[in-house]
This record gives sequence, structure tokens and C-alpha cells, in this order.
Amino acid sequence: EAGVTQFPSHSVIEKGQTVTLRCDPISGHDNLYWYRRVMGKEIKFLLHFVKESKQDESGMPNNRFLAERTGGTYSTLKVQPAELEDSGVYFCASSQPGQPPYEQYFGPGTRLTVT
Amino acid sequence: LAKTTQPISMDSYEGQEVNITCSHNNIATNDYITWYQQFPSQGPRFIIQGYKTKVTNEVASLFIPADRKSSTLSLPRVSLSDTAVYYCLVANQAGTALIFGKGTTLSVSS
Repeated sequence: EAGVTQFPSHSVIEKGQTVTLRCDPISGHDNLYWYRRVMGKEIKFLLHFVKESKQDESGMPNNRFLAERTGGTYSTLKVQPAELEDSGVYFCASSQPGQPPYEQYFGPGTRLTVT
Repeated sequence: LAKTTQPISMDSYEGQEVNITCSHNNIATNDYITWYQQFPSQGPRFIIQGYKTKVTNEVASLFIPADRKSSTLSLPRVSLSDTAVYYCLVANQAGTALIFGKGTTLSVSS
């Protein structure tokens, strides 16, 4: 069974540009989460989808970030326009109902560098 | 959600047993204790979860005293490949966001 995949693995963009990160969860996982770690900080929650619906987006830092999950399969996270402080590693995780409650499967992350 | 406190770092030699203790003094009745492991350039990986007493799986054991205000992750006979960051988390609802602290960086040397 394939794990959570993320694309790209690394992205370098200039301040003001737009970047779109993609996450493919494990097949059949209704829950999809986005997290990020910015330099020197802890991993922080961004938002949670249940299928195609946003269950919790309390962690989204501002309106420059837009997450979508059309059809309840893969998800994208767009940053527009990117700022220097957006640099960090963006993780996606998925889980399904019936698992141990806090067992989320994480992808390898996308390292975003804004110059 | 309960805040957790754990050592910033620990060092060990191959073959030793490593115990990482986490404090969660404000844990609530319906909170679970969960541990994740993270290798460099990878996402966190679920290791073990418990509510009370002792839980054991193929990777680790988790000891939780009766008052549940702390927990200890025990890694038997560590190897170099166990070098990683270990996170203790407390969560109280299925499908909820995980809250990560700084974790404990375990370094295993030969």
C-alpha cells in the first residue's frame, strides 16, 4: 500500500510568487491534514479535511493560504503571494475512521524556500 | 489540550535501553497519550499510544502511571537507526489535529 505522497519535495521561489503544494493521501483515508514547520519552530497544524469538507482550518496563518480537496481525494495548498516567513517544511497526513484515534500517516513533506 | 514537557535531547549507546519520560500534568480524563518518531527529512511516524498502565508493541513500550500525569516511552536495545526525534503528544478526540512540542532528540552512537 502506498503511503502519503507529497509533491514537490522541494520548491524554491521568490517572494511574491505563487506556489502550489500537492498531497495524495493513502487511498480510502477520509481525513487529511496539513501541518508545517517553519525555521526553529515546532510542527504546527494548519487545517483538517474530512473528505472534501474543511473540518477545521483554525491553524491557517492568513488568507494567503488556500487549501482545497476537490472530490475528497488529493489536496492542494496554495500560497499566494509567498512571503519570506512562509519558508519551512509542509507536511500532509491522513487517517481513516476506526484507526487508533491519533494515528496519522505523514508524508515526507515539501520543503519550501522563499527568497 | 494538555501541554507536554520532555527532555530536549538524550544520548545512548547501541544495545542500551532508552527511557524517555514526558510530563503532562494537566491531562484530562478523555485524553490519550501518543508518541511519534521522526527521522531527518521524513514526516513523523506513529509509534505507540496508550491511556493507562502499560502498552507494548513491536517497536516500544509505553508506561503510564495511575495518575496519568506522566508517561515513559521505552525503547529496548536501541540501534544506530533509532536516532531520531521523539514526540510525546496528548489528544482527546479522534480525528483531531495533533499538537507537537519540541520533542526529544535521541542520538545513538556505537
